Amino acid sequence: DQQVKQNSPSLSVQEGRISILNCDYTNSMFDYFLWYKKYPAEGPTFLISISSIKDKNEDGRFTVFLNKSAKHLSLHIVPSQPGDSAVYFCAASRGNFNKFYFGSGTKLNVKP
Amino acid sequence: NAGVMQNPRHLVRRRGQEARLRCSPMKGHSHVYWYRQLPEEGLKFMVYLQKENIIDESGMPKERFSAEFPKEGPSILRIQQVVRGDSAAYFCASSPAGRQGLNQPQHFGDGTRLSIL
Repeated sequence: DQQVKQNSPSLSVQEGRISILNCDYTNSMFDYFLWYKKYPAEGPTFLISISSIKDKNEDGRFTVFLNKSAKHLSLHIVPSQPGDSAVYFCAASRGNFNKFYFGSGTKLNVKP
Repeated sequence: NAGVMQNPRHLVRRRGQEARLRCSPMKGHSHVYWYRQLPEEGLKFMVYLQKENIIDESGMPKERFSAEFPKEGPSILRIQQVVRGDSAAYFCASSPAGRQGLNQPQHFGDGTRLSIL
């Protein structure tokens, strides 16, 4: 049972424009959400996180939005750069449980 | 390099052999997690360990798979009598102990790519 879903396997964006990556979840007990970035042959690298008590968290070019009623989160990258081209995974966890549930990833291609 | 270290990076085994994957957590981290990634899929949780304790092994197959994190040395994920379906990338992550480890990102190693012939 896939509790975290990323329905867009790929996204292509022009350099300088905004990239919006989406993620949906089904478990209302999730209270901590993260985005990871992954290059081929490397491990996931933490990008940004948000706790369920917030609806927005910003770090430089990266902003994560959380809509609890819709069980939806999104990652905005502005402006997009070619070096942002990678696979992006969203992940979620709940309460005192440390295991993360991952989506299947969205491959972002930022064209120069 | 103070990051999460996994070895080997690539491992080739024949069906029926044993595979041993090693993970050394980041300095100061005492919680270790193992995840498996099949092609075109996300990472799936397998097991969560602290030193000398398995905390949660709900994602690990009951047969052939085992994990340990001894008092000294790296965490080991062991797969006995490997089959073709075990071919995947296995990632290890670590986080700090105690409440510091809650609602904190896990830091990942670069994985071990296991291929079964």
